Amino acid sequence: QQQVKQSPQSLIVQKGGISIINCAYENTAFDYFPWYQQFPGKGPALLIAIRPDVSEKKEGRFTISFNKSAKQFSLHIMDSQPGDSATYVCAAVSGGYQKVTFGTGTKLQVIP
Amino acid sequence: EAGVAQSPRYKIIEKRQSVAFWCNPISGHATLYWYQQILGQGPKLLIQFQNNGVVDDSQLPKDRFSAERLKGVDSTLKIQPAKLEDSAVYLCASSRRLPRTGELFFGEGSRLTVL
Repeated sequence: QQQVKQSPQSLIVQKGGISIINCAYENTAFDYFPWYQQFPGKGPALLIAIRPDVSEKKEGRFTISFNKSAKQFSLHIMDSQPGDSATYVCAAVSGGYQKVTFGTGTKLQVIP
Repeated sequence: EAGVAQSPRYKIIEKRQSVAFWCNPISGHATLYWYQQILGQGPKLLIQFQNNGVVDDSQLPKDRFSAERLKGVDSTLKIQPAKLEDSAVYLCASSRRLPRTGELFFGEGSRLTVL
């Protein structure tokens, strides 16, 4: 049962462009929303995360936008670079023991 | 600090054989997770431990998968007998109990191919 839906499955962006990845959830028990970056042959690594009482969080070129009423959140990568080419996976946290449920992932390719 | 260690990195077995994966989490991390990641998909939680107790194993196929975390430190995930659909990367992760940030620290994974 997929509790976090992610789109698109893949994305090709020109260098310098904006990459946008979207996620949606249904479970209102989720109370923290991280994004992970995963390179081939490696485990995912935390990129940026947001609490549901905040509508936007920015760290460098990466921004999370959060819409609590719509139960949606998105990752924006500004000035996308070839080094950003990776799989991006959204996630949602619930429960006292931090159960982390992941989306299906988006493979991003930034072309020069 | 040392990261999450996993072994083996790669394993190829025939269907119906058994396999075991080992994970050593970051020192001091009370929570340990095993995820299954099929190619092109996001990680799927198999089992979550808090110290040496299981807090979530709702998606673990218990007829063939088992896991233990003795002494609340390292952990072993076993598959017996393996099926073709078990071909995947098995990721181990650990986290601190607090602060609550959803930050998991992953190992590089163990890639299983079932023939």
